[in-house]
Amino acid sequence: GEDVEQSLFLSVREGDSSVINCTYTDSSSTYLYWYKQEPGAGLQLLTYIFSNMDMKQDQRLTVLLNKKDKHLSLRIADTQTGDSAIYFCAESGDNQGGKLIFGQGTELSVKP
Amino acid sequence: KAGVTQTPRYLIKTRGQQVTLSCSPISGHRSVSWYQQTPGQGLQFLFEYFSETQRNKGNFPGRFSGRQFSNSRSEMNVSTLELGDSALYLCASSLGGISTDTQYFGPGTRLTVL
Repeated sequence: GEDVEQSLFLSVREGDSSVINCTYTDSSSTYLYWYKQEPGAGLQLLTYIFSNMDMKQDQRLTVLLNKKDKHLSLRIADTQTGDSAIYFCAESGDNQGGKLIFGQGTELSVKP
Repeated sequence: KAGVTQTPRYLIKTRGQQVTLSCSPISGHRSVSWYQQTPGQGLQFLFEYFSETQRNKGNFPGRFSGRQFSNSRSEMNVSTLELGDSALYLCASSLGGISTDTQYFGPGTRLTVL
C-alpha cells in the first residue's frame, strides 16, 4: 500500500542548512508536498513539486525529487530559530481526490 | 481571503458522548477533507467531501461520519466517543479536490475524551 517515511528528528545550528528527507512508495503520486506544523497549530503549506520535476526552488527552500528512488528532500538554507517545527511530507496519488498520505513528520530543532 | 476556519478550537467530552466539529473552507473551495492527528498514528485521512457527496473514505469505523452543506461547509460527527478518539482533527479545503489541487489546512479542533 501507500507509505511515506521520514526520519523523526533533526538538529542544526542557526545559519546552517537543514535537509529533511522523505521516501514514498506510490509511484503514481502526482504531487508531493511539504507542510510545516508549529506547536498547537494546523498545517502550513510550504511548497510542493509536480512529479515530472526534479527540483523546485522557492526563496530559502529547495525541493529535490528523485523519482527513480522515490526520494524527496527539503533543504532550508540559512536555518533560523523560527524554522523550528515539525515538517511533514505528503503525497497525493492519481485518482485519490482530496486524500493525502503523510509521513510521520520530522521535528527540526534549531539551536542558536 | 479568509483561510480555513474550524470550530470549536478545543473540546472536552466524556466516553460515550458524541461530538460535532465544523469546518468552513476557503471561499470558492468545494472540496473538504478531514484528518485525525495523534502522536501514535500521525496524520490519517478520515474522508473527503465534494459537492455535498462523500467522495473518498479512510479506514475509520462507522462512528466517524461527516456531511457537507450546499455552501461547502462541512461537519464531522463522532458518536460513542472512546478515549482513543482524543486527537487533533484537521480539515483541509481545495478547489476541486483532484490530486493536482493544493490543500489548505485549518488550525484544527483539539478533542479530549475523558
